[in-house]
Amino acid sequence: DQQVKQNSPSLSVQEGRISILNCDYTNSMFDYFLWYKKYPAEGPTFLISISSIKDKNEDGRFTVFLNKSAKHLSLHIVPSQPGDSAVYFCAAKQGGSEKLVFGKGMKLTVNP
Amino acid sequence: DTAVSQTPKYLVTQMGNDKSIKCEQNLGHDTMYWYKQDSKKFLKIMFSYNNKELIINETVPNRFSPKSPDKAHLNLHINSLELGDSAVYFCASSHSAADYGYTFGSGTRLTVV
Repeated sequence: DQQVKQNSPSLSVQEGRISILNCDYTNSMFDYFLWYKKYPAEGPTFLISISSIKDKNEDGRFTVFLNKSAKHLSLHIVPSQPGDSAVYFCAAKQGGSEKLVFGKGMKLTVNP
Repeated sequence: DTAVSQTPKYLVTQMGNDKSIKCEQNLGHDTMYWYKQDSKKFLKIMFSYNNKELIINETVPNRFSPKSPDKAHLNLHINSLELGDSAVYFCASSHSAADYGYTFGSGTRLTVV
């Protein structure tokens, strides 16, 4: 039962352009969402998060948008850099639970 | 100076064996986790300890037993290994159980043959 879905396995963009990574979820009880980035042979690294009481959170080149009615969140990276090439995981937490539920990840390739 | 370190990085072993994976964090965090990344690439929580106390115990076979001798260490012992246990196991830590910006280790790739 996939509660967090990253339906596109990969995305390729040119350096300097915008990267948009999408994530859908099915559990309306989720109240906190996160994005993690993972390089090969390393563990995931926390990138940015958003609470369900907000619809946008920005941190430098990274912005996460949350659309609760659509149960959809997206990560925007502007401008994209080759060092952003990695696998990006979407994760969510249900209110009252301390458990993070992860999607299966999406590979972003930023071409120079 | 690695923040969350796991050993070994790779582990190849035969079915039926017992093995342990060790994890140590030097961040002063109170909470530690074990996650399993299976062949379908999903990261799934297995266990979580807060100040040496078990707070999350997902539905995993009881062949898997976590042990936290102190809040800086969380080890994972697996008895009677099966082929399906092959996966990458990640240890992680966070300031507290309410902090979801985890710091992950680099993973242990377990292969059961």
